[in-house]
Amino acid sequence: QQPVQSPQAVILREGEDAVINCSSSKALYSVHWYRQKHGEAPVFLMILLKGGEQKGHEKISASFNEKKQQSSLYLTASQLSYSGTYFCGTEITTSGTYKYIFGTGTRLKVLA
Amino acid sequence: NAGVTQTPKFQVLKTGQSMTLQCAQDMNHEYMSWYRQDPGMGLRLIHYSVGAGITDQGEVPNGYNVSRSTTEDFPLRLLSAAPSQTSVYFCASSYDSSPAETQYFGPGTRLLVL
Repeated sequence: QQPVQSPQAVILREGEDAVINCSSSKALYSVHWYRQKHGEAPVFLMILLKGGEQKGHEKISASFNEKKQQSSLYLTASQLSYSGTYFCGTEITTSGTYKYIFGTGTRLKVLA
Repeated sequence: NAGVTQTPKFQVLKTGQSMTLQCAQDMNHEYMSWYRQDPGMGLRLIHYSVGAGITDQGEVPNGYNVSRSTTEDFPLRLLSAAPSQTSVYFCASSYDSSPAETQYFGPGTRLLVL
């Protein structure tokens, strides 16, 4: 049930772009993206509620394709502060109740 | 607001010992959950609660118990600790369980079982 993220890890130079993908075997009603710095708790970045809708946050944006049950996170002109582990999160229903699960994570390292 | 708090920050247990990880939030959130984080495995849902008195199992519930007697508190109990339970545990909460709600995380508890 856990969404699968790709790549598992990526190393960039400052200014380079990156794409992180999140794929689910279950229907997606929404996708959230979080970033976790080393030794800290995950922090919310953005949410996508509708299929095909893109939401932006500074130089980080995301897309959501309901039909393909996928979401992608786009990091443009990466900065050192972008380093961390990125998680997609989504809600799945079980017996009429929602529960919130996360993807497998993508480790991003930005080098000077 | 303190947000989501967790205690202790770090704990060492011996195999077979029991303990309770505490989680509290002061945001009047209905939905609370526990995750464990292991290298390469992401965040896996252990148990969750959609309100006081209501709990349910997540993806990896074996070896853990929970209860939700108040809106604020959601403790996680390890009845007989095993080395496989060595992990970082995060508690999270959101206003409710609807898809639009953001999850707020506590700082985490690092557990080492010897």
